[in-house]
Order: sequence, then C-alpha cells, then structure tokens
Amino acid sequence: GAGVSQSPSNKVTEKGKDVELRCDPISGHTALYWYRQSLGQGLEFLIYFQGNSAPDKSGLPSDRFSAERTGGSVSTLTIQRTQQEDSAVYLCASSLVVLTSGRADTQYFGPGTRLTVL
Amino acid sequence: DAKTTQPPSMDCAEGRAANLPCNHSTISGNEYVYWYRQIHSQGPQYIIHGLKNNETNEMASLIITEDRKSSTLILPHATLRDTAVYYCIVRGAPRFTGGGNKLTFGTGTQLKVEL
Repeated sequence: GAGVSQSPSNKVTEKGKDVELRCDPISGHTALYWYRQSLGQGLEFLIYFQGNSAPDKSGLPSDRFSAERTGGSVSTLTIQRTQQEDSAVYLCASSLVVLTSGRADTQYFGPGTRLTVL
Repeated sequence: DAKTTQPPSMDCAEGRAANLPCNHSTISGNEYVYWYRQIHSQGPQYIIHGLKNNETNEMASLIITEDRKSSTLILPHATLRDTAVYYCIVRGAPRFTGGGNKLTFGTGTQLKVEL
C-alpha cells in the first residue's frame, strides 16, 4: 500500500455544511497537490504544498476553501458552507521534488473523494 | 507550459498496438513530455515521461521525434482494461513559486479497446 490514499471515497452533504477531505501522500514525498474535477471536465488545480514553504494557494476558488498539511505529510482540504457547485471529485497527488535538480517531478494521484452537495 | 494537441478519440483492437499521437510544437528545450491516463471514475494514472530520448517501461513506450515537436505513446498489446482517456502533458522542472508546478490536463484522447 505505497500509493496516495484519500478519505472518504464518497461524501454526501447538505448545502451550507462544512466538509473535510483527507489525503495521505506517498511516504517521503515532499510535494502535495489538490485538484478537483467536475463531471466531464478537466482537472482544476487548487493548492500546492512543497516542504515547509508557504503553500501556493493560487487555485483556490474562494475563501470557503482552505487546506493544511501537518508535519509535512497528511493534508486536509476543508470546504466551508458548501455550495452545489462544489460537487466534484477532489483529487490529491504527491511527488518527490528536488528543486535544485532541474528535473521534472512525477505526480502520483490518489483515487479521489467524490463530493456531492445536495 | 507548452500546449499539446491530441485526437479526441481512437479505437484499437484488443491485442494490437495502440499508438497515441501528441503534437507539442511549442515545446522548449527543458520541458518534459508526460503521459497520464484516466480510467472512468478513477484518479489519473502516471504512465511514462521523457525529455529527448525514447523511453520504455512496463506499461508503454514513448517515442519522441528528433525535433521534439511531437511524440507517440505506444501500448504494445492493448487490452480492454486500457480503455481510458490518455493525456499528453508538456511540463518543465518544478519551480516553487506560482502554479507552475501544477499539471494542466487538456481534453486528451479517448481510447476505446474493443474485442
């Protein structure tokens, strides 16, 4: 079980409720990414963590979305006051980034959390 | 990151080689070619990547033209389980700042493997 894991696999919630989605990256990976994919759409970047540096939050769609990564490992994506347009599959990926190497990193994805907001 | 162009769909008979093309005419010298696939309702799966040389692993082979403006992903013996959307992505080495480290998926090629 060395892959990226996510929980829950499915989440159904009512409009206005808060939800937390969890990602366990591959052990030793320094970078962690959150994306979301709406039905029939491509991947939308949300946020990126690299080591101990401040995260790149440029993809978060609103201030209702936040994420943290504790101890450089597990990450939680929180959506407050969920809206129906938040319904999507939320994907987490991790990679081993060596910024000084000049080499591209390979991102490995988890199975995703399917969020449905009623 | 350079833009890529892929055919929207392809069919392949089971057991035959599936050759999926990708054009990336604006690729720059330090950008890699990555291939991922996404089987329905699953997360994207990494397949292979390369810079200049052809690459092969247990899943596929990647052929990159000498001018690097196009590439072909080859699944040597396609099976029904290879039915998926295949994405060709061109991407440079990660930079910390900005969203440059994100993966940008286009529309990909829907490969249908049939009996």
